[in-house]
Amino acid sequence: EIVLTQSPATLSLSPGERATLSCRASQSVSIYLAWYQQKPGQAPRLLIYDASNRATGIPARFSGSGSGTDFTLTISSLEPEDFAVYYCQQRSNWPPITFGQGTRLEIK
Amino acid sequence: EVQLVESGGGLVKPGGSLRLSCAASGFTFSGSSMNWVRQAPGKGLEWVSSISSSSSYIYYADSVKGRFTISRDNANNSLYLQMNSLRAEDTAVYYCARAPIVGTFDYWGQGTLVTVSS
Repeated sequence: EIVLTQSPATLSLSPGERATLSCRASQSVSIYLAWYQQKPGQAPRLLIYDASNRATGIPARFSGSGSGTDFTLTISSLEPEDFAVYYCQQRSNWPPITFGQGTRLEIK
Repeated sequence: EVQLVESGGGLVKPGGSLRLSCAASGFTFSGSSMNWVRQAPGKGLEWVSSISSSSSYIYYADSVKGRFTISRDNANNSLYLQMNSLRAEDTAVYYCARAPIVGTFDYWGQGTLVTVSS
């Protein structure tokens, strides 16, 4: 089973700042990594798939990069609605499909 | 507009059974792989099961294998999860999710809460 480790666990930033979230895989997942955003009481929302492709309707301030074992989600300039929990997820070697434990992005 | 609406959650005793349903609309259901993903209270996301568009390929997480059964009815645009021998650790919100690209979940339902407790 591929284990995904996200860092940091919590990130405290202010609106307008740049956010950088990391996801490391226990073995290579090639480019088959996705990022999701989840707000309290809501279902997750797909942001990025296959490492760097923005999903439909996702603003350009969200970008993804990486391949192999190291991946990054960048939010170029934080908007108030971006404060949420973010999960990475791999589909390279499954079953099982696995998720990271999440990074909480909170307002500083 | 793509819509996924789960139902069937509730309170059940350990060892009991429950059947979840997911009603799909707004897309060609018979053309998409479908999945169940769960989230225990205050915890992260856990993939539970996947079923291919024609039900030819079915996969389960080890934590539910032998107890849960995924199925679908393409004629009625519905996805199901039969859950037997439920345990306290199965307590979670259960989401159905579409995967137009296998293993990538682009639309999710609002979730249905399953509570396993005596």
